[in-house]
Amino acid sequence: AAGVIQSPRHLIKEKRETATLKCYPIPRHDTVYWYQQGPGQDPQFLISFYEKMQSDKGSIPDRFSAQQFSDYHSELNMSSLELGDSALYFCASSSLAGGKGITQYFGPGTRLTVL
Amino acid sequence: AQSVTQLGSHVSVSEGALVLLRCNYSSSVPPYLFWYVQYPNQGLQLLLKYTTGATLVKGINGFEAEFKKSETSFHLTKPSAHMSDAAEYFCAVSEGSGGSYIPTFGRGTSLIVHP
Repeated sequence: AAGVIQSPRHLIKEKRETATLKCYPIPRHDTVYWYQQGPGQDPQFLISFYEKMQSDKGSIPDRFSAQQFSDYHSELNMSSLELGDSALYFCASSSLAGGKGITQYFGPGTRLTVL
Repeated sequence: AQSVTQLGSHVSVSEGALVLLRCNYSSSVPPYLFWYVQYPNQGLQLLLKYTTGATLVKGINGFEAEFKKSETSFHLTKPSAHMSDAAEYFCAVSEGSGGSYIPTFGRGTSLIVHP
């Protein structure tokens, strides 16, 4: 079965640079979630989108923004990168309209390293 | 507000021994409960979930968990550990209030399996 796809899998950036992470949800899933997982930490919810509209907002820094496009893929844009932004970034998807929004399916993650 | 406590950041067992990973939660409404497994440098894979109905749920790879409302617990067990079970395990709870299913994760438990 198709899973959540994230790209790139690894990304290395310098401080103050920008980064864009992409997420392609499972086909027919309408909701996308972004999480940040620091070293040895549990995943922290950043933001989510349902049908291309922001649905929930968590601990996303103001330097970050995200959107969901008409094909339901999502992008997380990160500007003015800081060393503390180094983490594993997960995307997850679910199908709220399909009545299966309870369960989120996670992608493999993008490991961002800020030097 | 919802929260999750995973007792023990590390659990060590011998191959073939019983695996018990503890999870207690707090929730103001009937919760949805999940266990995810994370292998090194990989995404979160759903092991099992409790939504409604039978309180003993079976998941993949021989794992199961029992929802005990009176104890606010959702402990994960497996009768016989395999070396391949070595990974990080996360318990999560969501309330589904207002149509939002954002889960709160525990801090994770690292399962170590000795030969």
